[in-house]
Amino acid sequence: GAGVSQSPSNKVTEKGKDVELRCDPISGHTALYWYRQSLGQGLEFLIYFQGNSAPDKSGLPSDRFSAERTGGSVSTLTIQRTQQEDSAVYLCASRSYRGLGLGNEQFFGPGTRLTVL
Amino acid sequence: AQKITQTQPGMFVQEKEAVTLDCTYDTSDPSYGLFWYKQPSSGEMIFLIYQGSYDQQNATEGRYSLNFQKARKSANLVISASQLGDSAMYFCAMREPGTFGNEKLTFGTGTRLTIIP
Repeated sequence: GAGVSQSPSNKVTEKGKDVELRCDPISGHTALYWYRQSLGQGLEFLIYFQGNSAPDKSGLPSDRFSAERTGGSVSTLTIQRTQQEDSAVYLCASRSYRGLGLGNEQFFGPGTRLTVL
Repeated sequence: AQKITQTQPGMFVQEKEAVTLDCTYDTSDPSYGLFWYKQPSSGEMIFLIYQGSYDQQNATEGRYSLNFQKARKSANLVISASQLGDSAMYFCAMREPGTFGNEKLTFGTGTRLTIIP
């Protein structure tokens, strides 16, 4: 089956514009994560979805960031009024649950490289 | 708060030699999981190997093995018989149990491995 896909692969935007990043998880994976990878901060957790609910939004850096997931599948990460410090690679990951004590590893997409000018 | 430390920013290794990538972690929770991911220049994170805190034996996956020393809180990745295709960034990550099945990962800063022909 297909892996996690993300679109667009690259996005260049002007400061102050809104952007939407899309993630298509592996079919049947109920858990979905967004991470951000930047030179200064490394890999950081942003938000976790279980189904369509987001019980952990603790990593969202500001209220300009929001995310939703519909149909237990596709997720969209929205950044409003983008700033230059938002420039990073945004990675999406999904996982199934195979059992307690097992790896339950996350499978990552190729990422969206966001550049804010 | 959990923490992952990778002290080797970069390593150069001759092809066919074995290489050890260091990872130490800090957590107060007795139940946790440790992962290694590979990130080639293409950007996608590739899962390599998993070690659970209660696992009695060190994990192995093909040429990858994990040297898990629980008392020292270290989980070093060993790659045997290195190949040119092993050149990539390698990330150590830890998962702690959370509420609502959240298994978000905390990543180290990574080690860039370069295999020399």
